[in-house]
Amino acid sequence: AQSVTQLDSQVPVFEEAPVELRCNYSSSVSVYLFWYVQYPNQGLQLLLKYLSGSTLVESINGFEAEFNKSQTSFHLRKPSVHISDTAEYFCAVSEMTGGFKTIFGAGTRLFVKA
Amino acid sequence: DVKVTQSSRYLVKRTGEKVFLECVQDMDHENMFWYRQDPGLGLRLIYFSYDVKMKEKGDIPEGYSVSREKKERFSLILESASTNQTSMYLCASSLSQGPHETQYFGPGTRLLVL
Repeated sequence: AQSVTQLDSQVPVFEEAPVELRCNYSSSVSVYLFWYVQYPNQGLQLLLKYLSGSTLVESINGFEAEFNKSQTSFHLRKPSVHISDTAEYFCAVSEMTGGFKTIFGAGTRLFVKA
Repeated sequence: DVKVTQSSRYLVKRTGEKVFLECVQDMDHENMFWYRQDPGLGLRLIYFSYDVKMKEKGDIPEGYSVSREKKERFSLILESASTNQTSMYLCASSLSQGPHETQYFGPGTRLLVL
């Protein structure tokens, strides 16, 4: 069965510093990978996803994630964070043969300090 | 833009009450989901519906039921609320049945059962 591990529950960082939010998954088949973001008092929204092709995927607000099949990882990075990036970030995985089910990680709370 | 709305942002109920949580999406999506979100546990799937009147159990269906009489509306029912059902409840929808599809989330309903 598939599973998702987000290695850090909280990541405090200063504004304009780089950040990496770590995500590892476990699955016996090929997967699709997602990062969702939840801003305070809002629902989740898609940040980026890997379906196929280039292993590096980017979002419109400067985040990127790289699919590493050998390490079963999909870490999220941003070279310079803003106060407005403060949110909770969820990594998620769906098996290509798995029908409707998406498994979400426990979440990483990113706190950007001035 | 896809819009998913939930009937209440906050609810306070008594143990044993029957509770209805309503969700409406406006983009003619086939699939709708109910999750509960708890700190440190991420999102856990309660129920999923892939068509009107069709439903599938998720990972934690005990104590819950669902209803989908119209394509745009998906209701979660707590037959007899208990304190361990105090949580944030998130509704989501996706265009079609496929593990690659993006899910679109509502803002959530925070339920407190006393």
